[in-house]
Amino acid sequence: GAVVSQHPSWVICKSGTSVKIECRSLDFQATTMFWYRQFPKQSLMLMATSNEGSKATYEQGVEKDKFLINHASLTLSTLTVTSAHPEDSSFYICSAARVLTGFSTDTQYFGPGTRLTVL
Amino acid sequence: GQQLNQSPQSMFIQEGEDVSMNCTSSSIFNTWLWYKQDPGEGPVLLIALYKAGELTSNGRLTAQFGITRKDSFLNISASIPSDVGIYFCAGQLYGGSQGNLIFGKGTKLSVKP
Repeated sequence: GAVVSQHPSWVICKSGTSVKIECRSLDFQATTMFWYRQFPKQSLMLMATSNEGSKATYEQGVEKDKFLINHASLTLSTLTVTSAHPEDSSFYICSAARVLTGFSTDTQYFGPGTRLTVL
Repeated sequence: GQQLNQSPQSMFIQEGEDVSMNCTSSSIFNTWLWYKQDPGEGPVLLIALYKAGELTSNGRLTAQFGITRKDSFLNISASIPSDVGIYFCAGQLYGGSQGNLIFGKGTKLSVKP
């Protein structure tokens, strides 16, 4: 249990285009999903917290108009990189916290990541 | 902000040897987590620690939540080639979806057969 998927696993796009990345919790519900960014040989940096049915909370320095997040259901969150540029090239990873009972949630489980390359 | 110091940065060991890595923080956490990440993959949860002083094992892996709540270590016994990867510690002040994870910079493990 606690499987998180991401689609696509990799994408190459031209500068100026927009790219949508999906994060799904396959066998559990997640009221909260998180989006991270990881540059080569570096650790994961939280970009934003995605809450089902409400606006995402962005970390300092992350442009909300650049990285659009939509948490449409308890199993799906999407990250759209708008007007992508080469500096947006990175490994994007989502995680989901499994709802247990009531308001209690499990720890975060990570997706396999999406490699974005902007030419 | 909160920072985690993870050491060592990298390790080169012989198959069969034991491995130890640790994380320290300038502030307390209520949860410590250890993840392993293979190249091009997302982190996979190895061990979660929820209580100060807690010692938890998962097969050949053992991790402890420091009594001060500012540190944690991970031990791997009798390493094998498939242990190769990057190990991250992560601290969380609030549990589950209530708070984000703060990650260490990772320990890259290489195992020589």
